[in-house]
Amino acid sequence: DTEVTQTPKHLVMGMTNKKSLKCEQHMGHRAMYWYKQKAKKPPELMFVYSYEKLSINESVPSRFSPECPNSSLLNLHLHALQPEDSALYLCASSHDLRGGLSYEQYFGPGTRLTVT
Amino acid sequence: AQTVTQSQPEMSVQEAETVTLSCTYDTSESNYYLFWYKQPPSRQMILVIRQEAYKQQNATENRFSVNFQKAAKSFSLKISDSQLGDTAMYFCAFVLASGTYKYIFGTGTRLKVLA
Repeated sequence: DTEVTQTPKHLVMGMTNKKSLKCEQHMGHRAMYWYKQKAKKPPELMFVYSYEKLSINESVPSRFSPECPNSSLLNLHLHALQPEDSALYLCASSHDLRGGLSYEQYFGPGTRLTVT
Repeated sequence: AQTVTQSQPEMSVQEAETVTLSCTYDTSESNYYLFWYKQPPSRQMILVIRQEAYKQQNATENRFSVNFQKAAKSFSLKISDSQLGDTAMYFCAFVLASGTYKYIFGTGTRLKVLA
């Protein structure tokens, strides 16, 4: 199974709302990632979790709050977002790059977020 | 810092023809991995092909092959017998083997396969 799932597929939220994005993988990967992608642009790294610990935060505003409850799940909590935060949010996972197993990322289908 | 450059924003190719997408990168490290990812319109990003820097042999996956020139820091993707389903955005990506987890993506090449 090489699948990363994300829910919801689409989300429309107001600037005062609180919502969460969810990501799940069952490939035994110990690294999980959140990316933001604008139309026709490459993914921009937001956060990386390694062994359920936050290892990279790319200076993301605090209105985005990641959480990794266990090795298979990754959440992104959203609060007081701005219209410019509208984008496709991608989750990805990979093996530990130092483990020598494999090193490619597997991506989920994304959540298309619209902030009104 | 590592960088990845894709100099062709858009390309088109006739169905059944061959097309090559270019990618160059910059790093002072010697151990890293390179990838080509495909993202069809409104669809999921999927891995097309991967290359370990320590391997001299170019990777191939069915109709997809790479020309990896380590000294020139070049990693081009060749698509043979192009199909309509190959229409997509193609991203070249790089990651160090040291476990930094920072995958660096190029700006992408939008490929359109024409019938």
